Amino acid sequence: GAVVSQHPSRVICKSGTSVKIECRSLDFQATTMFWYRQFPKQSLMLMATSNEGSKATYEQGVEKDKFLINHASLTLSTLTVTSAHPEDSSFYICSARGTDIYNQPQHFGDGTRLSIL
Amino acid sequence: AQKVTQAQTEISVVEKEDVTLDCVYETRDTTYYLFWYKQPPSGELVFLIRRNSFDEQNEISGRYSWNFQKSTSSFNFTITASQVVDSAVYFCALVDYGQNFVFGPGTRLSVLP
Repeated sequence: GAVVSQHPSRVICKSGTSVKIECRSLDFQATTMFWYRQFPKQSLMLMATSNEGSKATYEQGVEKDKFLINHASLTLSTLTVTSAHPEDSSFYICSARGTDIYNQPQHFGDGTRLSIL
Repeated sequence: AQKVTQAQTEISVVEKEDVTLDCVYETRDTTYYLFWYKQPPSGELVFLIRRNSFDEQNEISGRYSWNFQKSTSSFNFTITASQVVDSAVYFCALVDYGQNFVFGPGTRLSVLP
């Protein structure tokens, strides 16, 4: 089945650091990728949707200058958390969707646990 | 607007008990999909089932079963003879015609030995 690889699985870094998270679709072309954030004991909240070759669409309340999303190819999207602070610590999950939107669900990566000290 | 409600925040059962996790959804679309995912402590989302809005047949997969009732906008999930390995957070989710996921708040299930 389709697989989405997310890397790294865990990041611990100092406040002020920028962190890049990669999301790759391994065996299908992901025309659309989604980025979610999950705070402890909460549900997944959509941050942004990105289509290959286009600017990402951000959900209300998500700072686009803080969370930079690049979807330059059909198999790779990146989320960069710029100048990360402790309040950015969270679990980030990407998902990818191919062209068959009615028969294929989104496929989720395994998530990245980000801890900012 | 789409919305998914999981009224049970946390459930604790003793091993071998049956447990039902409730899910109620709201949508104006006539075409939509409903999902259940399991999220173990490691964090990854484990896909359990997808059901489209035109298929109201109940489904059974091993110890898992799902009851989809459009009349009450519910898509409940039952685990029969629960096991400790079933301990996790379970999310119900709705995907509308726009193909955007809306997740419920999740139900944390603890199965005690």
